[in-house]
Amino acid sequence: TQLLEQSPQFLSIQEGENLTVYCNSSSVFSSLQWYRQEPGEGPVLLVTVVTGGEVKKLKRLTFQFGDARKDSSLHITAAQPGDTGLYLCAGGRGSQGNLIFGKGTKLSVKP
Amino acid sequence: EAGVAQSPRYKIIEKRQSVAFWCNPISGHATLYWYQQILGQGPKLLIQFQNNGVVDDSQLPKDRFSAERLKGVDSTLKIQPAKLEDSAVYLCASSLAPSSYNEQFFGPGTRLTVL
Repeated sequence: TQLLEQSPQFLSIQEGENLTVYCNSSSVFSSLQWYRQEPGEGPVLLVTVVTGGEVKKLKRLTFQFGDARKDSSLHITAAQPGDTGLYLCAGGRGSQGNLIFGKGTKLSVKP
Repeated sequence: EAGVAQSPRYKIIEKRQSVAFWCNPISGHATLYWYQQILGQGPKLLIQFQNNGVVDDSQLPKDRFSAERLKGVDSTLKIQPAKLEDSAVYLCASSLAPSSYNEQFFGPGTRLTVL
């Protein structure tokens, strides 16, 4: 069974701080997606990375796919209360579209 | 563009009862997924449809769970009989095509509590 392990599980920080969350696996993935989920809602896609070493930026969020395509990180600069939510990484293995989700990192940003 | 619709939003039942969930995907999306998300965990794929055919149901507990997508649009997921451990949020998602490079659009989910 392929597992995606996310760390930390919980993170509580003050507004303005920087943070990094990690997504690790022993398996190689053809793509990796990051989603954010707010209470009572379904996950919403933030980014898809497909190339080893790829870095993508989305405003204050920076996503990196590891060179070996087994791990990924999400860095948030100057976190804001609106960043609060559950951050899920999901690994894909190609044509069927199946995604394997990690357990998520629950982020709380206090004003 | 309308998103993925799910109903009901909440359901409370006794164990051994039956329950059904409904999903209407985004118009034109050929691929539909049902996920189970237990509290504190990420979504787990139960079943994937491509149009009205099943692509993957390897993690669906087939002794009690069933799903259909008869006309390749709406889908229903049924649990019969429910167990306590079925308490979870059931998420429906859709995408244009079955590829892990494509975005999956999720509905708000149905929160099931089994007493």
